[in-house]
Amino acid sequence: QITLKESGPTLLEPTQTLTLTCSLSGFSLTSGVAVAWIRQPPGKALEWLSLIYWDDTKRYSPSLESRLIITKDIPKNQVVLTMTKMSPDDTGTYFCGYIGDSWVNYWGQGTLVTVSA
Amino acid sequence: YVLTQSPPVSVAPGQSARITCGGRNIGDKRVHWYQHKAGQAPMVVVYEDRYRPSGIPERFSGFNSGDTATLTISGVGAGDEADYYCQVWDTDTVHGPVFGPGTKVTVL
Repeated sequence: QITLKESGPTLLEPTQTLTLTCSLSGFSLTSGVAVAWIRQPPGKALEWLSLIYWDDTKRYSPSLESRLIITKDIPKNQVVLTMTKMSPDDTGTYFCGYIGDSWVNYWGQGTLVTVSA
Repeated sequence: YVLTQSPPVSVAPGQSARITCGGRNIGDKRVHWYQHKAGQAPMVVVYEDRYRPSGIPERFSGFNSGDTATLTISGVGAGDEADYYCQVWDTDTVHGPVFGPGTKVTVL
């Protein structure tokens, strides 16, 4: 059974750096799959942030690329997203997801991140 | 690549809800549809234009041609009330998933 679980801080101050971890279960980031990060600000739409492939190819949303770094830790079976210079506009629920082809087959439950002074 | 979606829709139980997703030559792409209920993870209800994952009822159907993709929910029930998002893969610029703005379906 494939599951993903996000973890990280729930509250940040403006300008701080967010580090989120996606723990994978039921699969490993090996041949043919990717893990993506997607967020949803309150009352707004889903927004893709970044993804990493099994071969370490990385993709970023152009509007956020300068603030994002995605990495994978194969032994720990985790994917980590780092977002710098957080602002209140970055408040929202952050999801990680398994991509087997061109859609998100499995989603984590999401983690709410609030940015406030 | 930019996706547009139809406005919110309110539908009586048992009736049909039709949601559209617009994009330039979207018919050349594979469109996926997600149902997202508040406080839950999104869930794919249709993938690759018209296929349903295991466990998704036949009431959910998809079609894609030209500049418009459509998700139809037949025999709507209270459990179908949610936001619905279309998604394609942008192979030209971002090389990643692109989501539509979402359409809220309210069951009266």
